[in-house]
Amino acid sequence: DAGVTQSPTHLIKTRGQQVTLRCSPKSGHDTVSWYQQALGQGPQFIFQYYEEEERQRGNFPDRFSGHQFPNYSSELNVNALLLGDSALYLCASSLARQHSNQPQHFGDGTRLSIL
Amino acid sequence: QKEVEQDPGPLSVPEGAIVSLNCTYSNSAFQYFMWYRQYSRKGPELLMYTYSSGNKEDGRFTAQVDKSSKYISLFIRDSQPSDSATYLCAMTGAGSYQLTFGKGTKLSVIP
Repeated sequence: DAGVTQSPTHLIKTRGQQVTLRCSPKSGHDTVSWYQQALGQGPQFIFQYYEEEERQRGNFPDRFSGHQFPNYSSELNVNALLLGDSALYLCASSLARQHSNQPQHFGDGTRLSIL
Repeated sequence: QKEVEQDPGPLSVPEGAIVSLNCTYSNSAFQYFMWYRQYSRKGPELLMYTYSSGNKEDGRFTAQVDKSSKYISLFIRDSQPSDSATYLCAMTGAGSYQLTFGKGTKLSVIP
């Protein structure tokens, strides 16, 4: 049973560049969430995708955008990179159920370094 | 005041000790509570998921929720060196898809 997979594992970019991170959800899951984890901090919610639409967003600027594909996989795009965007980016998947909050399962993340 | 407060530690205990990890929260809308374990250079791994106040046990782990005090705990019995990791509490409310995390507590279990 494949868990959440993310690619790439590491990435180095320079300020002002753009980056795309990818995520495949756990088998059977249809919902994908993205989190940013700075060093020594807990993950911060960026947004969640369900049925190919963003259905909730955290306190992140529009430079952060995403996409979900019909096979439930997802991409996170970040434009105009800043030094402060250096972090571990985590993808989490879950199964949408009406009237019930389902647990989120995380991948191992993409470590993004901005020079 | 942060929505979720968690002592970052570090916490160091001898092998076999009982470990108590805690979080407090301020948002009374939180109804679902989770504990995740995160090893270095890995993603968070779900350990416990609870909804109601009270205790939930799974092997050596017990999660405790006190909604009246806005306080949650994770107890680890017979701690092992392999339990050395950062433990993150997380919570969310009904109708919300966003998990709000504590900063995490770094635990070291010394053989």
